[in-house]
Amino acid sequence: DQQVKQNSPSLSVQEGRISILNCDYTNSMFDYFLWYKKYPAEGPTFLISISSIKDKNEDGRFTVFLNKSAKHLSLHIVPSQPGDSAVYFCAASFLWGGGTSYGKLTFGQGTILTVHP
Amino acid sequence: DADVTQTPRNRITKTGKRIMLECSQTKGHDRMYWYRQDPGLGLRLIYYSFDVKDINKGEISDGYSVSRQAQAKFSLSLESAIPNQTALYFCATSERGEQYFGPGTRLTVT
Repeated sequence: DQQVKQNSPSLSVQEGRISILNCDYTNSMFDYFLWYKKYPAEGPTFLISISSIKDKNEDGRFTVFLNKSAKHLSLHIVPSQPGDSAVYFCAASFLWGGGTSYGKLTFGQGTILTVHP
Repeated sequence: DADVTQTPRNRITKTGKRIMLECSQTKGHDRMYWYRQDPGLGLRLIYYSFDVKDINKGEISDGYSVSRQAQAKFSLSLESAIPNQTALYFCATSERGEQYFGPGTRLTVT
């Protein structure tokens, strides 16, 4: 049972354009969502997060949008740069509730982003 | 120096062998986690520990065991390795929200 899904295995974008990565979840009790970036031969690195009380969080070129009614979040990268080429994982968690699941992350399958010069 | 370190970085072992993967952190976090990554499956949680005396199974704990030797150290063992345990293994730590990952161990079981 995949509670967090990234339905696009890959995305190719031209440098300078917008990259939009999508993520869907099924458990409405998740209250904290995160995006991680992963380069080859490295561990995932935290990129940006959003709590369920917000619908948007921005950090420089990166913006995460949360649509709770649709159980959908997206990561926008503007403008995209070749150095953004990596695998992007979305993750969901229980920050305030969740019982024994408190603090655990559930990851999507990842999307490979390629930004062409 | 890296906040979360993993040893070894690469390991090739034979079916049936016992192997231990080690993780150390200098972030002072109480919570530590072990994940495996397989192509197309994202990261799946194997075990997690919220403090030295607290060890919990994740979604795919069969065939694995862990030991939390200290706040800073969390090791993962494969008692009798099998080929479908070939994967990338990541250790992570957290305080409350985001988790911080080590560089990973690439394990191949032949």
